Amino acid sequence: DAKTTQPPSMDCAEGRAANLPCNHSTISGNEYVYWYRQIHSQGPQYIIHGLKNNETNEMASLIITEDRKSSTLILPHATLRDTAVYYCIVRVTNTGNQFYFGTGTSLTVIP
Amino acid sequence: DGGITQSPKYLFRKEGQNVTLSCEQNLNHDAMYWYRQDPGQGLRLIYYSQIVNDFQKGDIAEGYSVSREKKESFPLTVTSAQKNPTAFYLCASSGDGGSNYGYTFGSGTRLTVV
Repeated sequence: DAKTTQPPSMDCAEGRAANLPCNHSTISGNEYVYWYRQIHSQGPQYIIHGLKNNETNEMASLIITEDRKSSTLILPHATLRDTAVYYCIVRVTNTGNQFYFGTGTSLTVIP
Repeated sequence: DGGITQSPKYLFRKEGQNVTLSCEQNLNHDAMYWYRQDPGQGLRLIYYSQIVNDFQKGDIAEGYSVSREKKESFPLTVTSAQKNPTAFYLCASSGDGGSNYGYTFGSGTRLTVV
């Protein structure tokens, strides 16, 4: 089973920041948090990942709480093309290389 | 460009027939995976392979089979034993067992059994 909890859906106004939360209260010390997104009927796309520190790349920022029990993905200026399902995943390192995907958050960017 | 190719994009089969979905990668990745996605649902792991000639069952392996004879290829066969095979199938690969490596996904195959 997936080890993360995300809200099923969110809306965001175009041009505003989209903040997508994720709870992973049972995360282990050596497990990373990954974020992917899936546009309808396509394969998921990697966004960002992190262990302890906050991370930023050209797509998004990842904020991980100090206790590592939750994180937030931030899309700084949401566009209509950011409408997708966003998956927060904790890497299960003790069972090999698999990712376990939950149902994610369906983000709708509103014009 | 390196990537993962899944073919075909759409596949129709009659009930009771086996069907094989293709997945090829030129990323030199060791590990490959098959996921199934049903409408409005997340991804569920069917099989995975971390090295050539070796693979393990995922959470929903019943009714499916795989092979890994080459590093680049990880075909999935949906057998007649799979009770509800209509779904969107996604193949992925990753670089190695290190925690920093994420997945690269293919564009998927939508299988419809009639």
